[in-house]
Amino acid sequence: EVQLVESGGGLVKPGGSLRLSCGAFGLAFSNVWVSWVRQAPGKGLEWVGRIKSKTEGGTTDYAAPVRGRFTISRDDSKNTLHLQMNSLNTEDAAVYYCTSGGGTADYWGQGTLVTVSS
Amino acid sequence: EIVLTQSPGTLSLSPGERATLSCRASQSVSSSILAWFQQKPGQAPRLLIYGASYRVSGIPDRFSGSGSGTDFTLTISRLEPEDLAVYYCQHYGSSWTFGQGTKVEIK
Repeated sequence: EVQLVESGGGLVKPGGSLRLSCGAFGLAFSNVWVSWVRQAPGKGLEWVGRIKSKTEGGTTDYAAPVRGRFTISRDDSKNTLHLQMNSLNTEDAAVYYCTSGGGTADYWGQGTLVTVSS
Repeated sequence: EIVLTQSPGTLSLSPGERATLSCRASQSVSSSILAWFQQKPGQAPRLLIYGASYRVSGIPDRFSGSGSGTDFTLTISRLEPEDLAVYYCQHYGSSWTFGQGTKVEIK
């Protein structure tokens, strides 16, 4: 059974930084593309970005609102995905989901809540 | 950037009725990269349909997807109480775009 488990969420002040992690179990992690999707309280789903598998270049793509502030990385030796978030603002407050799959988000974690407030 | 517009915003139906959810794209998209997700209250989203019409293993056959070009549809043939959820369409090209969601309420 595939499981994705996010961690690292919490309260951060505007302008601050936070690093989220996602542990993957039950899948060939190094072979898959993994993405982050977020959901602000009471709102819809918003794609944050993705990282391809190393065999496909390991490159990253980001949504416009986070480009230049967020960085996605992966540690295939530990089956772990990271999201480094800098210069956070109140619009970044959301539940952050880790997802993976063959093309779209076949699998989702339960999410980790990021709150941005002074 | 492709924009997906879902309608209606909310659908209120009785058990056993047919639900038809619409997703319209701002430009023509390949049906091979159009998906539908279900998000029940307090839960993470779940993939229902990929490639516009391919049902994920384990998803009940009352859920079906169709469409092409700019117009796509998710149909729930006979609503069950557990189908109470928000449904999102998604275009999964070089970047991902989600529709704003349709909330299905059970009368």
